Amino acid sequence: DTAVSQTPKYLVTQMGNDKSIKCEQNLGHDTMYWYKQDSKKFLKIMFSYNNKELIINETVPNRFSPKSPDKAHLNLHINSLELGDSAVYFCASSQPDRLNTEAFFGQGTRLTVV
Amino acid sequence: AQSVTQPDIHITVSEGASLELRCNYSYGATPYLFWYVQSPGQGLQLLLKYFSGDTLVQGIKGFEAEFKRSQSSFNLRKPSVHWSDAAEYFCAVGTYNFNKFYFGSGTKLNVKP
Repeated sequence: DTAVSQTPKYLVTQMGNDKSIKCEQNLGHDTMYWYKQDSKKFLKIMFSYNNKELIINETVPNRFSPKSPDKAHLNLHINSLELGDSAVYFCASSQPDRLNTEAFFGQGTRLTVV
Repeated sequence: AQSVTQPDIHITVSEGASLELRCNYSYGATPYLFWYVQSPGQGLQLLLKYFSGDTLVQGIKGFEAEFKRSQSSFNLRKPSVHWSDAAEYFCAVGTYNFNKFYFGSGTKLNVKP
C-alpha cells in the first residue's frame, strides 16, 4: 500500500490553463503539506494543513489554492498557470504529536507549463 | 530565522570509499533533524532522524549521522559507498510542532566505479 500517493505523476499543460493535483495519505496523519521543488532541486514549503485547517501559507500566489476535504486528502488547484510554475510538486504528511515523527513524501508530480 | 545549509552541491566518490555529507542548521530551539534521499524521478525517502538522546544515529542502508550542537551540524556518513547510493541527499530541520520542515539545497552524490 502506498502511504502518500499523488496523481498525476506527470502533467504538461499550456500557460493560462487551470489544473489540479490530488494527494491522499493512508497513514492516519493529521498534518499534510505541499512542497515545490524547483529546477535546482530546492524544496520549499507552500502549504501546511492540520486536520483540514490551513496553518502555513508561505507567501504562495493566490493562483494556488489548496483544498482539504478531509484529513486524508490535500489537493492543490492552480489557476492561470505560468511558465514559472513548472516544477515538481510533492505532497507529504506527518503526525506531529507522535514521538519520533517524520514526514512521508509522495512520489511527486512533475508539472511542465508550455 | 531557520535555515539549513548543505555546502557541497556535488560530491563524487569512488565505490567502496567513505562518504561524509555536510549539513549545518540554524534553529532557535531544539532541532529535529532529518536526512532524506531522492533517487532520480522519485520521492524522498527518510534515511535517519535525530530527536534527542544519543548524538550518533543509525539509519537505513548503512548510513549514520552525528549531531553536534556546538557546531550546529548534522553530517551524514557512510563507511563504504555503493554505486546504488548515487542520488540527491537532503538535510532537513523540523519545527517543534512539525508545521513545516526546512530543507537544505541538497547534495548530489556521484559514485565512480
